Amino acid sequence: QKEVEQNSGPLSVPEGAIASLNCTYSDRGSQSFFWYRQYSGKSPELIMFIYSNGDKEDGRFTAQLNKASQYVSLLIRDSQPSDSATYLCAVISGGSYIPTFGRGTSLIVHP
Amino acid sequence: EAEVAQSPRYKITEKSQAVAFWCDPISGHATLYWYRQILGQGPELLVQFQDESVVDDSQLPKDRFSAERLKGVDSTLKIQPAELGDSAMYLCASSPPTSGGQGDTQYFGPGTRLTVL
Repeated sequence: QKEVEQNSGPLSVPEGAIASLNCTYSDRGSQSFFWYRQYSGKSPELIMFIYSNGDKEDGRFTAQLNKASQYVSLLIRDSQPSDSATYLCAVISGGSYIPTFGRGTSLIVHP
Repeated sequence: EAEVAQSPRYKITEKSQAVAFWCDPISGHATLYWYRQILGQGPELLVQFQDESVVDDSQLPKDRFSAERLKGVDSTLKIQPAELGDSAMYLCASSPPTSGGQGDTQYFGPGTRLTVL
């Protein structure tokens, strides 16, 4: 059973701070990694994807991947109250392209 | 902007009844996914289609759930009979053709909220 682990939180940060969200995965053959944001009662929306080790930046968001340690993280700089949501990590296994989601981390950005 | 369509958005049914959900993926997307998401948990993959073929349905409770994508475009997920534990959000997602051998970015529809009484 391929597993994707996330701390359910909530992670509470003040407005303007950096929020750091982490995800670990069990399948060493995983090759694609995604972060989705999900507001309460809504469907997930893609924030970022990353395939290679290292950092990938997009605006206020940075995804970090370390395949040797089997973790992927998402940093949100200058956090805003509108960033308050659940952040889902998704991992796709190499070859099968079957996705596995973590349970998500709830982020609360307070003014 | 193209979107994944799902209907109905909300469904209330009594246990032992049959329910059906419909999904129309983004045009040109060959891969279609059905997920179940229970409150407070991440989406759980029920079935994945590549065109009209099932890629994975290992987590689909086949005694009561069925899914089809007959012409490789839209898809239907059915539950018969529904049980109290089936209350959840049912999400459909689609992906464009894979490029470079990487996994596919999924685009989600708005979901169907099912309540079984």
